[in-house]
Amino acid sequence: GQSLEQPSEVTAVEGAIVQINCTYQTSGFYGLSWYQQHDGGAPTFLSYNALDGLEETGRFSSFLSRSDSYGYLLLQELQMKDSASYFCAVPSGGGYQKVTFGTGTKLQVIP
Amino acid sequence: DGGITQSPKYLFRKEGQNVTLSCEQNLNHDAMYWYRQDPGQGLRLIYYSQIVNDFQKGDIAEGYSVSREKKESFPLTVTSAQKNPTAFYLCASSLGSGRSPYEQYFGPGTRLTVT
Repeated sequence: GQSLEQPSEVTAVEGAIVQINCTYQTSGFYGLSWYQQHDGGAPTFLSYNALDGLEETGRFSSFLSRSDSYGYLLLQELQMKDSASYFCAVPSGGGYQKVTFGTGTKLQVIP
Repeated sequence: DGGITQSPKYLFRKEGQNVTLSCEQNLNHDAMYWYRQDPGQGLRLIYYSQIVNDFQKGDIAEGYSVSREKKESFPLTVTSAQKNPTAFYLCASSLGSGRSPYEQYFGPGTRLTVT
């Protein structure tokens, strides 16, 4: 089966950098995705890594190491609006079009 | 503007009643998904569909049913057999090819309360 581990909560200061880690176990691997969800809202897609290394999109970057079954989301120049839950997701196996989501990391940005 | 709509935003039902949640997309996506989210939890897959007239059970399909008669629509019925139906229900879609399962687009969700 698939399992993902993320820290449940992270607190960081406005303007700082924060890293949210995700370790996974999956029977077939095609990529690691990250989603952001504000309280009461819908998840929005942030990034996808299929290959090892760092991918940057503005203030957000995502890293993948397939050999370590590990990835992280890096948020730079934190803003108050970045306070949200962040989920990693990997293929579920048994069906190419399915993914399994982690339980999420709640990020609180403080002044 | 393209997107996914879910209605209603809030829904209240009595125990023992079936209820159908609407999900419509105009993104021309082939794949559609239903997830359930409980407070402080991640998303759990209920059903998904890769093409019209075909759908597969997800991890927690018991007590739910779906149909996919049109590409744009993927309604979810929460039946009276679902033991704990109160939750936030999210519909999503993706292109249905390539890396698409990893890039899903979500509707605003329906918050269902059953008493």
